[in-house]
Amino acid sequence: GAVVSQHPSRVICKSGTSVKIECRSLDFQATTMFWYRQFPKKSLMLMATSNEGSKATYEQGVEKDKFLINHASLTLSTLTVTSAHPEDSSFYICSAISPGENGYTFGSGTRLTVV
Amino acid sequence: AQSVTQLGSHVSVSEGALVLLRCNYSSSVPPYLFWYVQYPNQGLQLLLKYTTGATLVKGINGFEAEFKKSETSFHLTKPSAHMSDAAEYFCAVSVSGGYNKLIFGAGTRLAVHP
Repeated sequence: GAVVSQHPSRVICKSGTSVKIECRSLDFQATTMFWYRQFPKKSLMLMATSNEGSKATYEQGVEKDKFLINHASLTLSTLTVTSAHPEDSSFYICSAISPGENGYTFGSGTRLTVV
Repeated sequence: AQSVTQLGSHVSVSEGALVLLRCNYSSSVPPYLFWYVQYPNQGLQLLLKYTTGATLVKGINGFEAEFKKSETSFHLTKPSAHMSDAAEYFCAVSVSGGYNKLIFGAGTRLAVHP
């Protein structure tokens, strides 16, 4: 079945630094990927839609200069949290529209902690 | 605009009892509806989905859900709960139908006790 690999699974960074999270489709081409943010014990909030070869579409209220999304190939989308602050600490999950019956495949998530 | 409401942020059942997790949706177009399960610090696993056709959908691990257009509902059920079913469950609707971005409900935490 379709697999999406998300890396790293956990990252701790210092306040003010940038962190890159990768989302790879391993056995299919993902024209469209989505990035979600999940606060503790909360639901998934869609941050942006990532389309290969074009600019990402951000949801209202999401700072595009802070959360940089790049989808340079059909198998890789990256989310860079720039100048991270403790309030950016969260669980970030990517997903891709995938072939087959499931429709979507989700990455395993990245726990970001900014100290 | 599409939206999803999950009634009950926490549901607790005994092992072997019926599981019922409620989901109501709002959609201006024929919806694609999904139920996902999430275990701690993990991504989401699809339990089942409704796109078109038969309104009673069977999924993995003995779960099923029925799409009721008149009630705008897509409740998830399982006849007999197992300890391993304890997790967070999310209902989701695809924006504008088809496979587009998903809008998730707030989630329901299912606890199963012996």
